Amino acid sequence: AQTVTQSQPEMSVQEAETVTLSCTYDTSESNYYLFWYKQPPSRQMILVIRQEAYKQQNATENRFSVNFQKAAKSFSLKISDSQLGDTAMYFCAFEPYTNAGKSTFGDGTTLTVKP
Amino acid sequence: NAGVTQTPKFRVLKTGQSMTLLCAQDMNHEYMYWYRQDPGMGLRLIHYSVGEGTTAKGEVPDGYNVSRLKKQNFLLGLESAAPSQTSVYFCASSDAAGGLGTEAFFGQGTRLTVV
Repeated sequence: AQTVTQSQPEMSVQEAETVTLSCTYDTSESNYYLFWYKQPPSRQMILVIRQEAYKQQNATENRFSVNFQKAAKSFSLKISDSQLGDTAMYFCAFEPYTNAGKSTFGDGTTLTVKP
Repeated sequence: NAGVTQTPKFRVLKTGQSMTLLCAQDMNHEYMYWYRQDPGMGLRLIHYSVGEGTTAKGEVPDGYNVSRLKKQNFLLGLESAAPSQTSVYFCASSDAAGGLGTEAFFGQGTRLTVV
């Protein structure tokens, strides 16, 4: 069974600054996907960024980037130039190639961006 | 393009009552999922489907049943509701390329209260 751990229940950052959210996971799989999803107060889940485990290059999407350390089973999310609209709950998620569809989510980190 | 639509959006049930949550997607996606989200926790996978006519158990399947008779619809049933099933339920769908490996699209959620 896979587990996903987000050790920071709450974080805050000043507008325009950079913040890093941590995620660690445990699996015996060698090929898998990792994701960060954002859930604003509207409750809508929005994909922020995804990483395939076989790719060594870290994924980036505009102000969002990840630091993927496969050996350490770590997958942190960095948000640069934080904006008020980034205020949301962020979830790290894992899905193995061998059992596509059977995803596991962490408990989330509530991020507040302060003006 | 409606995406993923869940009905109803809110429901209050009495213990022992039954109900069905409907999820409909118009993107011709193969994969569909049902999650529950409890306060302060991430999404937990209840059941999922990798194609029409197929279903599989997720992390927390007990007390729920599902059906995928049509590709565009994924139904979640509660045969005898219990207060422990009070939660927000999310449906999602994604393309066949790899379950959540491709971007998953989420519905707006159904807030269910069992009294």
